[in-house]
Amino acid sequence: EPEVTQTPSHQVTQMGQEVILRCVPISNHLYFYWYRQILGQKVEFLVSFYNNEISEKSEIFDDQFSVERPDGSNFTLKIRSTKLEDSAMYFCASSLLAGGLNEQFFGPGTRLTVL
Amino acid sequence: GESVGLHLPTLSVQEGDNSIINCAYSNSASDYFIWYKQESGKGPQFIIDIRSNMDKRQGQRVTVLLNKTVKHLSLQIAATQPGDSAVYFCAETPGRRALTFGSGTRLQVQP
Repeated sequence: EPEVTQTPSHQVTQMGQEVILRCVPISNHLYFYWYRQILGQKVEFLVSFYNNEISEKSEIFDDQFSVERPDGSNFTLKIRSTKLEDSAMYFCASSLLAGGLNEQFFGPGTRLTVL
Repeated sequence: GESVGLHLPTLSVQEGDNSIINCAYSNSASDYFIWYKQESGKGPQFIIDIRSNMDKRQGQRVTVLLNKTVKHLSLQIAATQPGDSAVYFCAETPGRRALTFGSGTRLQVQP
């Protein structure tokens, strides 16, 4: 069964450093998403991406964040200068069609720890 | 602001019993609702969805009920099993937008 994969599973970084979280969405899906979940809290939407551009973003997704689809399979989230409050689980998701009214498949997540 | 929330943070049931997890939403523009299951250390896993033109949808051992009048969503799990133990989130979206998740309910199934 096709699945979304994410690497690394756990990333530890120093405050102020840049991190890149990687995702491989399901191959025939067209819409890609990043969500985050701070420990013990609900899942929060960050950004959606379609046709090589951001289609929607939340207030959390400020200038420190960027997304890219560098090739035909990977989808990345970059945090330019990490802060302590960026520590969270980051989930990538993909869907065949637009997110609403179509199932989003989530990856296993990357746990980001900022020290 | 618009929000999706859950009434009960933890629900403990006996194996074999039926479970009901509730969710309230406030965005009247939402027309698509989903229940996700999240096990420890894993990403959310789709369980069942429902569109706003329906009030009930059944899957395998699960049923979702939607009451648009009071903006209430529930997930019923029949014959709950230990493998059902997880955190359950409702999520909603107004059309082709990003999902807004609720705060989650932990289901504990006692053997």
